[in-house]
Amino acid sequence: EDQVTQSPEALRLQEGESSSLNCSYTVSGLRGLFWYRQDPGKGPEFLFTLYSAGEEKEKERLKATLTKKESFLHITAPKPEDSATYLCAVVPGGSYIPTFGRGTSLIVHP
Amino acid sequence: DGGITQSPKYLFRKEGQNVTLSCEQNLNHDAMYWYRQDPGQGLRLIYYSQIVNDFQKGDIAEGYSVSREKKESFPLTVTSAQKNPTAFYLCASSVGDGGAGELFFGEGSRLTVL
Repeated sequence: EDQVTQSPEALRLQEGESSSLNCSYTVSGLRGLFWYRQDPGKGPEFLFTLYSAGEEKEKERLKATLTKKESFLHITAPKPEDSATYLCAVVPGGSYIPTFGRGTSLIVHP
Repeated sequence: DGGITQSPKYLFRKEGQNVTLSCEQNLNHDAMYWYRQDPGQGLRLIYYSQIVNDFQKGDIAEGYSVSREKKESFPLTVTSAQKNPTAFYLCASSVGDGGAGELFFGEGSRLTVL
């Protein structure tokens, strides 16, 4: 069974304190791994797609990396506006339907 | 602007009543999805549709029904058979097979059963 596990469940940071979120997965093949940001009461917003081990993507203070078993979302010098829930999703080979993890709730204090 | 519109944003229902959530997209996407989100849970797939007049059950389809008569529209009916319908419902779309996993979401509909 395809599984996606995100850790930690919740993370509190001070503004400027860099950290990483983890997404580990077990799927039969990997078509793609996706990161989304979700603000309270809103729908998720697409951030990144990663397809193969070693791939990296960046956007402002966020950087996503991928290995054969996990992905990291690195947040460098976060700001309070980075506070949100970050969701990871994987699409196994031969499919196009993503399986989502439970998310990491990030709060950045000023 | 292109996007996905869900309505209503908030909905209250009495037990035993059916309710239909609307989802419309103008992105010309082939695939559409309905997810349910509960506190502390990930997104769970209810139904998905790759093309008009065709749809498949997801992981938690019991107590729900859908239709896909138009490419732009994918309404979800929460029936009285759904035992615990209070949740946040999200509709999404994608270009289909070529855009696997890259979903565009609506703002969500929060259903509360009284």
